[in-house]
Formats: sequence, C-alpha cells, structure tokens
Amino acid sequence: QQPVQSPQAVILREGEDAVINCSSSKALYSVHWYRQKHGEAPVFLMILLKGGEQKGHDKISASFNEKKQQSSLYLTASQLSYSGTYFCGTDQGTSGSRLTFGEGTQLTVNP
Amino acid sequence: EPEVTQTPSHQVTQMGQEVILRCVPISNHLYFYWYRQILGQKVEFLVSFYNNEISEKSEIFDDQFSVERPDGSNFTLKIRSTKLEDSAMYFCASMEQAWKTQYFGPGTRLLVL
Repeated sequence: QQPVQSPQAVILREGEDAVINCSSSKALYSVHWYRQKHGEAPVFLMILLKGGEQKGHDKISASFNEKKQQSSLYLTASQLSYSGTYFCGTDQGTSGSRLTFGEGTQLTVNP
Repeated sequence: EPEVTQTPSHQVTQMGQEVILRCVPISNHLYFYWYRQILGQKVEFLVSFYNNEISEKSEIFDDQFSVERPDGSNFTLKIRSTKLEDSAMYFCASMEQAWKTQYFGPGTRLLVL
C-alpha cells in the first residue's frame, strides 16, 4: 500500500520554510526521500531507518516516527534550487527492499 | 562519483514490438531494480534482482516483462510485446547492500505507438 504524502503542492518564496509529510498504514523499515525535477531522475536526499532517527543535510532535514509510521521532511530557508517534486519511498523490509512511492509533493520556490 | 547509466535515453516503438532497455549499475552494487513512471504520476516498482535472480516483482511485472544480467556489468529489462500503456519513463536503480540507498539512473523514455 502506498504512503500518503501531504501537502500535494506548496508554493514558497525564497527563504521560507516548508514541511512535507509522509505516512503509511504499514510498518516500515525505512523511509527514503527523493527530489525529482521535471524530466529528470529522482535524486536521493536521505534515508531514515526505523528507530526514530532524525537526519540533516545542509538546510534539509527529516524525521521518522516509528510508532506513527510517519516521516517528515523539513526544508528551511528554501532556495530556488529546491523546486521540484518530493517523493517519499517506503521500505517494509521485504527481501528485495522494494520502495513504494507516494504521489509526491510539488514544491515551487519563487524569488 | 559513480553513477547508474541507462541506454537508450529515448525509444519509440510500434505496439507489439519487443524492446530491451539497458542499464549499467554502479560497479560494486549487488541489488538492481527497475521502476517506471507514467507521465505526471508517481514512481512505481517493477522488479528487484539480487544474486542473479528476481527477489521481488510487482503486479505490473507480468509475463511480458523479463530481466537479465547477461554479464558482470549490464542489467536489462525486456518487454516482449509492447502495449500502448507501457509508454513511460523507465528507471534503473542499484543499491550496494540490503536496506541502503537506491541510486537511480537517468531513465529511458519509452513511447509505444
């Protein structure tokens, strides 16, 4: 079953913050976040393993609440280059580590 | 930095024809994947491959699809008899070891006419 992402779309001005949420009804082993620009491949941002860890990368960070099976991606002081569609991919710990992706959140950062 | 590569970048074919999409995963990676993305939609899992066999496949991956690792570097997806609804971007991904990061290739855009 695919994870549910919210919001579907968000428009920011440069320098503003945003939070993107991803929730699953299934127990998860890990959550993977990717950003995809139009016509390009998804680019890996970060992976969060079960255990409720929080990771950060520059001004982008994420958390994973194992009890709620929810992950959130935090973008602070957004830059124009942050524009794109953000997907969360969930891994239920299957043998093949398949990722099931949400519908995506379209983020637009304007000057 | 090592990358996943895919060829061709674009492929146009007639309905009913066979196509082979090629991928070169990152060299020390052990897990290989095919995903597809229909225009404007989410990325969908097709198949995972490990130790020279399929480890998982989705309901999309029916008898028309097959995968192969013919040598130590290439990983291929074959669609035996293409349908209009197979038109999509096909991404190959590879992963070094279990439950790590999956790195995506640039994709092959397949158009079935």
